[in-house]
Amino acid sequence: IAGITQAPTSQILAAGRRMTLRCTQDMRHNAMYWYRQDLGLGLRLIHYSNTAGTTGKGEVPDGYSVSRANTDDFPLTLASAVPSQTSVYFCASREGPGNQPQHFGDGTRLSIL
Amino acid sequence: GQSLEQPSEVTAVEGAIVQINCTYQTSGFYGLSWYQQHDGGAPTFLSYNALDGLEETGRFSSFLSRSDSYGYLLLQELQMKDSASYFCAVRDPGNTDKLIFGTGTRLQVFP
Repeated sequence: IAGITQAPTSQILAAGRRMTLRCTQDMRHNAMYWYRQDLGLGLRLIHYSNTAGTTGKGEVPDGYSVSRANTDDFPLTLASAVPSQTSVYFCASREGPGNQPQHFGDGTRLSIL
Repeated sequence: GQSLEQPSEVTAVEGAIVQINCTYQTSGFYGLSWYQQHDGGAPTFLSYNALDGLEETGRFSSFLSRSDSYGYLLLQELQMKDSASYFCAVRDPGNTDKLIFGTGTRLQVFP
């Protein structure tokens, strides 16, 4: 089934550790996004990529990095995790121009202790 | 900056009609979207309005008034499965490839 796959589904991580959240899509969408969702704050954009080889910062980029080596993969890395990065992380992709819907993965629930 | 305002929670009974409002403040406007998210699930796209008026998709309709910077999602013939959070979102006027989401409205449908 076509869509977006995120891994892991959930993770508990010690503060200070490095962590990469994986996101793969098989829809050949050019644009991809990483959001974090915290209670009462909705979805906040961390980083995005309009096409392979390009990335941009969102609303809350500090402490996170991304890469877009190809169309399908858009990993999100926490270089040194901190407790405030405890959140649910969603990857999304979009086909076509900005008025088209974004398609979301099932999310990664990350707890930093 | 850009901001969107939605009620935090709405309750209704099965079979009823409910309206979820969204007001926005943006330096430019390029369309209003609605997404649904069930507890523990992923957001899913419901509708998009770029022009004034009502867009209908089955039991769900979405309305936009650009002059009032206002839109709403109308859910008719409510079912228990409609219990979810609903988010409005606008395209970021600084970069229309990005969306800015509201904080969401939690809808609880009671039997």
